[in-house]
Amino acid sequence: SQKIEQNSEALNIQEGKTATLTCNYTNYSPAYLQWYRQDPGRGPVFLLLIRENEKEKRKERLKVTFDTTLKQSLFHITASQPADSATYLCALGLYNQGGKLIFGQGTELSVKP
Amino acid sequence: DAGVIQSPRHEVTEMGQEVTLRCKPISGHNSLFWYRQTMMRGLELLIYFNNNVPIDDSGMPEDRFSAKMPNASFSTLKIQPSEPRDSAVYFCASSLGQGVDEQYFGPGTRLTVT
Repeated sequence: SQKIEQNSEALNIQEGKTATLTCNYTNYSPAYLQWYRQDPGRGPVFLLLIRENEKEKRKERLKVTFDTTLKQSLFHITASQPADSATYLCALGLYNQGGKLIFGQGTELSVKP
Repeated sequence: DAGVIQSPRHEVTEMGQEVTLRCKPISGHNSLFWYRQTMMRGLELLIYFNNNVPIDDSGMPEDRFSAKMPNASFSTLKIQPSEPRDSAVYFCASSLGQGVDEQYFGPGTRLTVT
């Protein structure tokens, strides 16, 4: 069956450390992958896009990798801050699907001062 | 730009009643998506439109759910009759094109069916 799995348990880290979130998928061949941030009571907000032919993308303190052999994406936040505390969602985009995204369950990140 | 606008923000209704959720996408965006989010099932795509045309409604739970997009600036999601298991947060999102473009989400409508 097709599955997208993110760290099911909340991730607690100390301010200043690097947070690493995992997104694994099974029986999908995504053309691209997106990461979103969601704060309580709000809609998801887009962070980064990475395509299947790209290994790594960076944006300020954020980095995402995409390994189509391992069927995995890693999302890193360096020099984490309490303001980074939120739920992070990965989403797969498939070929010729008109922009349709399939979302993982999300990982809750808590950064302690 | 005001972003994606959804109304109402909260809706409480009794089982069996009709519920209509509304969405105004970002001007100029060609794709519109309706999602449902619950703790158990996460964020699920219900239906999406490209250029006002429904493309994929395979996520619509059953015939009680229907969605329309009569023009580029307005969409509705209707549940008739509503049931307690429909309680969830419903999000509308829009994107510029029909491919890899990022999606912009509205604030959501929290629906409670008693």
